[in-house]
Amino acid sequence: QKEVEQDPGPLSVPEGAIVSLNCTYSNSAFQYFMWYRQYSRKGPELLMYTYSSGNKEDGRFTAQVDKSSKYISLFIRDSQPSDSATYLCAMSAGFQKLVFGTGTRLLVSP
Amino acid sequence: EAGVAQSPRYKIIEKRQSVAFWCNPISGHATLYWYQQILGQGPKLLIQFQNNGVVDDSQLPKDRFSAERLKGVDSTLKIQPAKLEDSAVYLCASSLASGPYNEQFFGPGTRLTVL
Repeated sequence: QKEVEQDPGPLSVPEGAIVSLNCTYSNSAFQYFMWYRQYSRKGPELLMYTYSSGNKEDGRFTAQVDKSSKYISLFIRDSQPSDSATYLCAMSAGFQKLVFGTGTRLLVSP
Repeated sequence: EAGVAQSPRYKIIEKRQSVAFWCNPISGHATLYWYQQILGQGPKLLIQFQNNGVVDDSQLPKDRFSAERLKGVDSTLKIQPAKLEDSAVYLCASSLASGPYNEQFFGPGTRLTVL
C-alpha cells in the first residue's frame, strides 16, 4: 500500500464548476499537508499549506484536512481554464521528506 | 527574485551512457533537494543537502547515481551508467532552511530520455 493515494484522473469539468480533489494517506505521523500545482513541462508550485487538521481558504481555493479519516481535500471554486494542470498532494511528518501523491490531472473546458 | 535554475532542460542518451544535471538554487537557500518524477507519478526525493552536507540520500540508487553540492550553492546530479528506467524528469528544489516545514521552490526540471 502506498503511503499517499491520489486518483490520477483526468478530471474534466466545465468552466465555473466547483472542483474537489482528494488524497488519502496511511501514515498517522503526517502533520504537514500541501497542495502543489504543476503545469505541463514546469516544476510544481505550492498552492496551499495546512498544519494538522482543519480548513484553510485562499481566494478560490480551500484546503481541508481530516486527520481522523486520514483524508485531505482541495476545493476550487469558479474553476477557470487556467486552472487546468496536475494537482499534487504532499505531506510530511515534520523534519522528514515530503511524500507526494501521484497527482490528479484537471481539465477545465471553456 | 530569480527562481531555481536547472540545465539542460532536455537530454536524450543511450543506455549505459552517463549524464549530468546542474542546479542553481535560489540565493540564500541552505537546503537543496533532487527529485525524480517518472511519468504519471509524483516526485520522489533522491537526495537532500543542508549546505554542503547530505541530510537524506536513502532513496538514491548509489550504485549509479551520485550528487554533490560544492560550496553549498550549486549542485550536480550524475547518472553513470544510465538505464532505461531512469527516464524521468529530474527536479531540483530549494528552501531557506530544513525545519519541520519549509516551503520548497522547484525548478523547471530536466527531462531525461534513455533509449
